[in-house]
Amino acid sequence: GAGVSQSPSNKVTEKGKDVELRCDPISGHTALYWYRQSLGQGLEFLIYFQGNSAPDKSGLPSDRFSAERTGGSVSTLTIQRTQQEDSAVYLCASSLRREVTGELFFGEGSRLTVL
Amino acid sequence: DAKTTQPPSMDCAEGRAANLPCNHSTISGNEYVYWYRQIHSQGPQYIIHGLKNNETNEMASLIITEDRKSSTLILPHATLRDTAVYYCIVRPTGNDYKLSFGAGTTVTVRA
Repeated sequence: GAGVSQSPSNKVTEKGKDVELRCDPISGHTALYWYRQSLGQGLEFLIYFQGNSAPDKSGLPSDRFSAERTGGSVSTLTIQRTQQEDSAVYLCASSLRREVTGELFFGEGSRLTVL
Repeated sequence: DAKTTQPPSMDCAEGRAANLPCNHSTISGNEYVYWYRQIHSQGPQYIIHGLKNNETNEMASLIITEDRKSSTLILPHATLRDTAVYYCIVRPTGNDYKLSFGAGTTVTVRA
């Protein structure tokens, strides 16, 4: 499809396990963002990638969270030793480049449930 | 960051115009106003943005007051599919990619 693709759409895991969430941005989009949305809450910025620049990781809540973007395209968000408070919808978005517009294209999200 | 204030919820009749207010009294001169919406269980969707002039596209119109301290998003003919949470966001300078989504306004369009 032409939109941002995220997988898995749903993930249930046990406390202490590691999880990986994948994001396929729109082809040609150089900027990629990860946000987190807890139940009934607004979106919380996690991390931002722009081209070959060093990512802005200032929103990552702890060192259990990490993300990478390979080849300037696909991104993986990894959560190690998951905790119940990590339960949320993890949203990925991409855009052409930030200077042009703040228009972000979001995926459908990956719903993570930590038991 | 400039912050925005929106009413928590509002109802609208199907087929009527929906006017969604947003206050951003601390906005800086070079900061844009963006509107996104989030339909249940979906990712947010861009609607429109503006700096100081009124803007219109196929989805909505954006009216920004002359002093830029507030704006109104207008959905001209609301449909049931417009039921969503609407976010008014001021794009901060510097870290302009960190769009800060607040609680938004939950708009319910009723038949």
